[in-house]
Amino acid sequence: EIVMTQSPATLSVSPGERATLSCRASQSISSNLAWYQQKPGQAPRLLIYGASTRATGIPARFSGSGSGTEFTLTISSLQSEDFGVYYCQQYNNWPRTFGQGTKVEIK
Amino acid sequence: EVQLVETGGGLIQPGGSLRLSCAASGFTVSNNYMSWVRQAPGKGLEWVSVVYSGGSTYCADSVKGRFTISRDNSKNTLYLQMNSLRAEDTAVYYCAREPSEGNYFDYWGQGTLVTVSS
Repeated sequence: EIVMTQSPATLSVSPGERATLSCRASQSISSNLAWYQQKPGQAPRLLIYGASTRATGIPARFSGSGSGTEFTLTISSLQSEDFGVYYCQQYNNWPRTFGQGTKVEIK
Repeated sequence: EVQLVETGGGLIQPGGSLRLSCAASGFTVSNNYMSWVRQAPGKGLEWVSVVYSGGSTYCADSVKGRFTISRDNSKNTLYLQMNSLRAEDTAVYYCAREPSEGNYFDYWGQGTLVTVSS
């Protein structure tokens, strides 16, 4: 099973600042990585797939990069509505596995 | 518009059984891979089971032999039969669609809470 490790566990960012979230895979997953945002009491929402392709309706301030084992989600200018927990997920190998999440707090 | 609506959650005693349903609209369940993903209280996401468009099914090791995924094409509905439930199965259960171009999850239901407790 591929283990996905996210860092940091919590990120406090002021509105308008850049937020950088990391995700590392225990072995190469090519570009088969997705990012999700989850707000309290809600289902996860797909942000990025294929490591760097924004899902439909996702604002351009969200961008993804990386391949192999190292991946990054960047929120270029954090908005107040961007708080929540962000998860990465690999879909290169079975079983599909998620990272443990990074909580983004608004400072 | 794609929609997924889960039902069937509730409080169940250890060792009991429960069947979750996920009614889909806006697309055809049998044309997509469909998964169940769960989230224990305050914890992260865990993939549980998938049914392929061709009908093959797979489960996580943690539920193998106890949970069964299925679908009813005539009702455009996904199911998860959960037997021999344990306290550690307590979670919100989401159904999720996988698009044809990749095994990520592009649409999710709102989730249904399963609590296993005596």
